[in-house]
Amino acid sequence: GAGVSQTPSNKVTEKGKYVELRCDPISGHTALYWYRQSLGQGPEFLIYFQGTGAADDSGLPNDRFFAVRPEGSVSTLKIQRTERGDSAVYLCASSLGGADTQYFGPGTRLTVL
Amino acid sequence: GENVEQHPSTLSVQEGDSAVIKCTYSDSASNYFPWYKQELGKRPQLIIDIRSNVGEKKDQRIAVTLNKTAKHFSLHITETQPEDSAVYFCAASKQAGNMLTFGGGTRLMVKP
Repeated sequence: GAGVSQTPSNKVTEKGKYVELRCDPISGHTALYWYRQSLGQGPEFLIYFQGTGAADDSGLPNDRFFAVRPEGSVSTLKIQRTERGDSAVYLCASSLGGADTQYFGPGTRLTVL
Repeated sequence: GENVEQHPSTLSVQEGDSAVIKCTYSDSASNYFPWYKQELGKRPQLIIDIRSNVGEKKDQRIAVTLNKTAKHFSLHITETQPEDSAVYFCAASKQAGNMLTFGGGTRLMVKP
């Protein structure tokens, strides 16, 4: 079946602009995760949804970052007033509720000029 | 919070040799330990995982061992092949469905 998909694959924006990154999880997966991966480093947790609600948003770096999952499927990560330090690959993963295995999407490479 | 350290950061081996990557974790409550392989520009892909009620798990050329007392776990790849070349990440999680804390990664290069 189809894996986790993310759009866009690449996003270039200017400092101060607003961006939205989209994640489509594997069908039937109730848990959805956002991670951020800087060059040469491991993914860092941002936020985790179980269904429609954010079960854990402790990894969001500040209030410029926000994520939603209104219908318990697709999720959007929103970044306001982007800064050059936000440049990274943003990865989404999903898992079957209550199971451990997280399946990752291909990521969105965000570049803030 | 949880902290995961991974060593070495780079590893170069000759084709056919074995490779070992080690990770330590800080939170004794962690009970799930996956390993992901990430090729350049691609998504991380799960290659093997282990839960804290098991000391060792093997899948063909790949094995993972876990020492809960010492809070460390290791990935073993035998009979390495050039296609094993990638960055490998270990991770730890405290409960089913919870967030993963990743190590810094190991770049494995298998020379033909």
